[in-house]
This record gives sequence, structure tokens and C-alpha cells, in this order.
Amino acid sequence: KAGVTQTPRYLIKTRGQQVTLSCSPISGHRSVSWYQQTPGQGLQFLFEYFSETQRNKGNFPGRFSGRQFSNSRSEMNVSTLELGDSALYLCASSLSPPSNEQFFGPGTRLTVL
Amino acid sequence: AQSVAQPEDQVNVAEGNPLTVKCTYSVSGNPYLFWYVQYPNRGLQFLLKYITGDNLVKGSYGFEAEFNKSQTSFHLKKPSALVSDSALYFCAVSLNRDDKIIFGKGTRLHILP
Repeated sequence: KAGVTQTPRYLIKTRGQQVTLSCSPISGHRSVSWYQQTPGQGLQFLFEYFSETQRNKGNFPGRFSGRQFSNSRSEMNVSTLELGDSALYLCASSLSPPSNEQFFGPGTRLTVL
Repeated sequence: AQSVAQPEDQVNVAEGNPLTVKCTYSVSGNPYLFWYVQYPNRGLQFLLKYITGDNLVKGSYGFEAEFNKSQTSFHLKKPSALVSDSALYFCAVSLNRDDKIIFGKGTRLHILP
């Protein structure tokens, strides 16, 4: 069975721009979570979607947003990019709820110049 | 709010020796606890989880973790380390089955041949 896929794998943007990242979960998985990974902060939870509804949210500013479609695919958007947004963005899917084993995608490496 | 701490940024262990990667948590009630591993150039992978029951949880690749409620700890252990165990290990906690999963900052494990 195909794993979690994330596109694009790499992105380079400049400050002030916006970006959209995409995640396709494992077939049958309805929960999708997003994380930001940086060397200093480790893995930080962004948000979790289930059945097109945001069920959990982390402590990130409103510039970070997401959504989930009826086929469980999810996107996250970051507006007005800042240098500090440079990170590896990971998507994870699970059979609901998230306390089941999460399966992670390879991530999208975002560099903000 | 829940939190998890991994007090060691890096742990070095000789091959064949037992290894321990430490994790302490702060959460009210009965936590859901997890360990994940990130191998170089590979995605995050689930190792094991504790929800209830036996305090010693067995997981993938010969790893196990011991839940200690009085010390609020969930240390990861393996009786005999392999060089291939070298990776970044994350401890994580959740309040309940539907809540977000909060990860620690990670501990880099180096197994020395």
C-alpha cells in the first residue's frame, strides 16, 4: 500500500511570499497531522484534520493554515513567509484517532530567503 | 497542557552495550506515550506506544520502554545496541485518544562500533 506522499519535496521562497504544501495520506486514513521540524525546536505540532474539520491546533500564528478535502488529502498554507519559517514540514496520517500509529511522509523542505 | 522533555541532546553507546534514551512528561491524567525514530534520509517511524496496562512496552527492532508513573518517565531501552540503531529518537505524549500528539526535541543516538 502506498505511503504518505508530500509535494513538493523542496521549495525555495523569499520573505513575504506565500506557499502551499500538499499531503496525500495512506488510503483509508482519515486523520492528517502537520508538524514543523527544525534543529533547535524538534517537532512542533501545527494542526490535525479529520473529516475535513480541524480537530486540534498547535501554537502557531494565523499565517499558518490548513484544510482537508473529502478524499482526506490535506494542504497547509503559510502566508507572508518569514526567515524563521525555514524548516522541514512533515505530514502524518493515521486511522482516526491520532493516538493510533502515525505514518509520516518524507516531508517538504522549505527554505525562505 | 501536556509537555515532554528529552534531557539529553545526544547519547553515545558502544555497540553491544545496553542503551537508554530518557524521556519525562508532564500531563494531567493518564497519558498516551509514544516513541518514534528518524533514520538518516528516511521518514519518522513509529516504535511503540503506551496507553494502559503493563508498564513495560515492547516495540519494533528490539526496543522497549518502561512507563513509570511516579517519576513521570517513559525511557526507551534496548539490551544490546547495534550500529544501525544510530538515529534521532523522539518521545511524544498525548492527553487522550483524540488529542494532538506533542513531541520532544529529540535525542540523537550514536552507537559506536
